[in-house]
Parts: sequence; C-alpha cells; structure tokens
Amino acid sequence: DSGVTQTPKHLITATGQRVTLRCSPRSGDLSVYWYQQSLDQGLQFLIQYYNGEERAKGNILERFSAQQFPDLHSELNLSSLELGDSALYFCASSPRGTSGGPPSYNEQFFGPGTRLTVL
Amino acid sequence: AQRVTQPEKLLSVFKGAPVELKCNYSYSGSPELFWYVQYSRQRLQLLLRHISRESIKGFTADLNKGETSFHLKKPFAQEEDSAMYYCALSVITQGGSEKLVFGKGTKLTVNP
Repeated sequence: DSGVTQTPKHLITATGQRVTLRCSPRSGDLSVYWYQQSLDQGLQFLIQYYNGEERAKGNILERFSAQQFPDLHSELNLSSLELGDSALYFCASSPRGTSGGPPSYNEQFFGPGTRLTVL
Repeated sequence: AQRVTQPEKLLSVFKGAPVELKCNYSYSGSPELFWYVQYSRQRLQLLLRHISRESIKGFTADLNKGETSFHLKKPFAQEEDSAMYYCALSVITQGGSEKLVFGKGTKLTVNP
C-alpha cells in the first residue's frame, strides 16, 4: 500500500454526464499527478499540481479539469463525458515533483485507480 | 519530443528462462528512467530507477545512452513475475516540474 487513496473505486455513468474523482496523496507529499490508462493509449499523463498550484499539463482535454485543495487532496473533474473517456484514472503523489532535488523527491507513488465506465 | 517505446505488447517465457523487456527512449535532455510494475489488480509500483543502479527482485536495467535504451532483464524468470511492466522517462517541464512519460507497457507471462 503506497498510502495514496482514490475514491470511488468504480464509477459507471452515462454520456454527457459529469463526474468527480478524488485523490488523497501520501502524508507530506506536495505533488499530485493524474494519469489516464486506456487499452489503446496506455498511461497518459494528464496534469500535475504542486502545493495547490498547477505545475504541468499533459494530454488533458478541455472537458477535464483538476484542482488541489489546501489539505493537498486533489479532484479531477470530467464533464460532457463520452464513451471514449472510459478508462482507469490513476493519481500519484511525490514529495516534491520539482526539478533540482534529490531523486527521492520525485519518486511517484500511485493510488489504486478509479475505473470509469461511460455507457 | 519525448517518447518511450516498448516494442513488445506481450512477452511469454517459461519459468527459469531469462527474460528481457525492451525499452527505448527519445529525449533531448539528460534521461532519468524508471521501470514500474503492475501486478494483477494492483496499483503501479516502482520497480527500479536507473540512477540507483540497484537490483530488485532479481531485475536489473542498464541505461545505454548510445542506443537510447533501458532494457529490463532477469536471468531466471519466476511465475510471480507475471505482470504488466512499464518503462517511464522523467522529463522536466517548462514550469520546472518533473513528469513521467510512460511506454505502452509489456505484459509478461511466466509459464510453469
């Protein structure tokens, strides 16, 4: 158990709907990352937050947004859902996630994922 | 552009046989590479990173900058090694963060 928690475990919803995925990082970790894992695209980096601020963006659609709260937990909001959004969504946390520090600062610890099914 | 390529989607070996999971990368900066493993129904976990040059569960990986490769090897595969393996490259973003770029993964099956 890496200490990163994600809720819910599973989510089934319909096209056009909006969902919120939640992630709690390991105690003390300041960075949270979101990834999408699908069969055809593999693991895709979506977005990173560091201490409440957005730090890096990957292949994140405009229909998706995220935020990190003062207690460092993060939420990923997915709206106007399409069938193709069905995937496993992982979050990961790291102590820092910024360049220049020792390697241990950036090791990412993954949560168990949320499986989203859009029908 | 940063890219990680794992050419084999599936790899099947017999118990006790050597195994090599291939990973090639493309990155203009100084590469920092990792192997992550995902056992069935479990979360991704770090297996090893090139910078620490360690051996975990009998696996080793050597960074070859000339061939831009970071292949994962184990001399004698065990059934419990069956899992999904992802090679990842740490890249520095414009904002000074580090993000991971993953390969598409190789599913290793070790047969008895």
